[in-house]
Amino acid sequence: QVQLQESGPGLVKPSQTLSLTCTVSGGSISSVGYYWSWIRQHPGKGLEWIGYIYYSGSTYYNPSLKSRVTISVDTSKNQFSLKMTSVTAADTAVYYCARKLEPHAFDIWGQGTMVTVSS
Amino acid sequence: DIQMTQSPSSLSASVGDRVTITCRASQNIDRYLNWYQQKAGKAPKLLIYAASSLQSRVPSRFSGSGSGTDFTLTITSLQPEDFATYYCQQSHSIPYTFGQGTKLEIK
Repeated sequence: QVQLQESGPGLVKPSQTLSLTCTVSGGSISSVGYYWSWIRQHPGKGLEWIGYIYYSGSTYYNPSLKSRVTISVDTSKNQFSLKMTSVTAADTAVYYCARKLEPHAFDIWGQGTMVTVSS
Repeated sequence: DIQMTQSPSSLSASVGDRVTITCRASQNIDRYLNWYQQKAGKAPKLLIYAASSLQSRVPSRFSGSGSGTDFTLTITSLQPEDFATYYCQQSHSIPYTFGQGTKLEIK
């Protein structure tokens, strides 16, 4: 079965760039109809969709974060990545990668990775 | 953005009870509404998609209904493992948005 696993630094300094990678196993990131997403959850808070990418490279972002976010895909490695620039303490959160089956739900999630923005 | 509002924010119930959680969208989202369960320290788990379709391997005591702006998640005969936080999410329009969550606690 398809599994997702996030990886990346757990601590990022303010004003720097947060970089995370999600590795897809048990299936192909190039499968038709699936969008590969990033979602975050601030400590003790609700869920915020950051954006997603299709294997072709088409991207869609949350307008509230669009100016700072880039999502990319590497089909040869079955991975997709998140870069968020100019981070502040407000970006401290658990970051999840997830698969979205269009047009519906996020059906498979990674376990999440905590990212703390602090000097 | 479409605002999703859940009620109640928290709920106490006993094993065996039937509970209903409501989700209201700020505009018509047809049936593009999904429900997730999240336990402490874990990723959300998809329960219901397209308002009423049960995700594979989810127990049939979970059900969803609604369309347009008003939706419900019903859990019949609560089990100990059902005590968690539940979120609704609209997949009608970008940016996809979630409700604030309903924490279901043991009475």
